[in-house]
Amino acid sequence: TQLLEQSPQFLSIQEGENLTVYCNSSSVFSSLQWYRQEPGEGPVLLVTVVTGGEVKKLKRLTFQFGDARKDSSLHITAAQTGDTGLYLCAGVQSWGKLQFGAGTQVVVTP
Amino acid sequence: DAGVIQSPRHEVTEMGQEVTLRCKPISGHDYLFWYRQTMMRGLELLIYFNNNVPIDDSGMPEDRFSAKMPNASFSTLKIQPSEPRDSAVYFCASSLLGGPGNIQYFGAGTRLSVL
Repeated sequence: TQLLEQSPQFLSIQEGENLTVYCNSSSVFSSLQWYRQEPGEGPVLLVTVVTGGEVKKLKRLTFQFGDARKDSSLHITAAQTGDTGLYLCAGVQSWGKLQFGAGTQVVVTP
Repeated sequence: DAGVIQSPRHEVTEMGQEVTLRCKPISGHDYLFWYRQTMMRGLELLIYFNNNVPIDDSGMPEDRFSAKMPNASFSTLKIQPSEPRDSAVYFCASSLLGGPGNIQYFGAGTRLSVL
């Protein structure tokens, strides 16, 4: 089983601050996805990164896929309270099955 | 589209009882996934179907768990008999393509409490 480790497990910051969440694996994935999950809801896809070294931006969120396609990071600039949630990375295995990390709980306070 | 619909949203039952969770995938999607989420183990894939056929059930914990997909618009996950350690949030997800980069759309989940 390919394991994904996310760090930190929990992050509490104030509005306006920046944060970075990491997702690391010893194995290579064909692509990697980031999801955000809010309380009482299912995860919602934010982005898919496919190419090693790829950087994608979604408004204030910047996603990077490592050159070796084993790790990824999510950077949020000037966090807002609406960014609060559980951020999950998921490695896409060759047949489309997802391997999820344990998640990083982000809390943004006013 | 209404998205993936799961029922019930909450289920409280006693140990030993049978529990049935239901899922209606997004119309036209050909893959359906059942996941379980707990604090200890995170989000785990239990089983997934392609065109109503079970493809990989290696994540199903034990024989007490079974899943069916009688048609393209309905799936069930059954636990019989239920145990307290089955308490978790169970998610159903569907997708249109099974290849790399496919997008899985999740339902809101069923929170199961086994007393």
